[in-house]
Amino acid sequence: NAGVTQTPKFRILKIGQSMTLQCTQDMNHNYMYWYRQDPGMGLKLIYYSVGAGITDKGEVPNGYNVSRSTTEDFPLRLELAAPSQTSVYFCASREPQGARTEAFFGQGTRLTVV
Amino acid sequence: AQSVTQLDSQVPVFEEAPVELRCNYSSSVSVYLFWYVQYPNQGLQLLLKYLSGSTLVKGINGFEAEFNKSQTSFHLRKPSVHISDTAEYFCAVANQAGTALIFGKGTTLSVSS
Repeated sequence: NAGVTQTPKFRILKIGQSMTLQCTQDMNHNYMYWYRQDPGMGLKLIYYSVGAGITDKGEVPNGYNVSRSTTEDFPLRLELAAPSQTSVYFCASREPQGARTEAFFGQGTRLTVV
Repeated sequence: AQSVTQLDSQVPVFEEAPVELRCNYSSSVSVYLFWYVQYPNQGLQLLLKYLSGSTLVKGINGFEAEFNKSQTSFHLRKPSVHISDTAEYFCAVANQAGTALIFGKGTTLSVSS
């Protein structure tokens, strides 16, 4: 049971480049989230999705885009990378109700923009 | 809107000492509460959760937390810590009726011998 899988684990981008962070889950969860983690700042929500075809902005969406064409996949797109996007990115999934409503996290993608 | 405040950014303790990591939340609706642990260079894993029922919740690795609705708190405790408990701990709140899952800024627990 793989859970939530993120790729790549590490990436260095040059300013202005673009890339897609991949996230897939095999638990058939409806809700999926993208967070960024910066030292001392906790996790900040970038985008979330409540099901295929439905996405919405979180606290810090500028500079990012998402799509949700299937239940399993929730890729995060960075267009025109900037140094401020240097961070660790986590994808998570959950079901909103039930005894196992906690979020399950991927191992993270460490992104450096230079 | 919900929010989560972790009252201590860093907590240094000696091995075998007790520890409490404090978490307060604000919400006008019923919530679920969680504590997660993050070891260096790893993702977050669930320590324990409060969904309903008993206000004292037991989790993995000997941790427990108490939900206090009147004080809107969900403090994490362990009676005797180990070196291996050194990690960052996050408190999180989810709206029972909605999509939000909000995290605190984290508390770094450092256990030394």
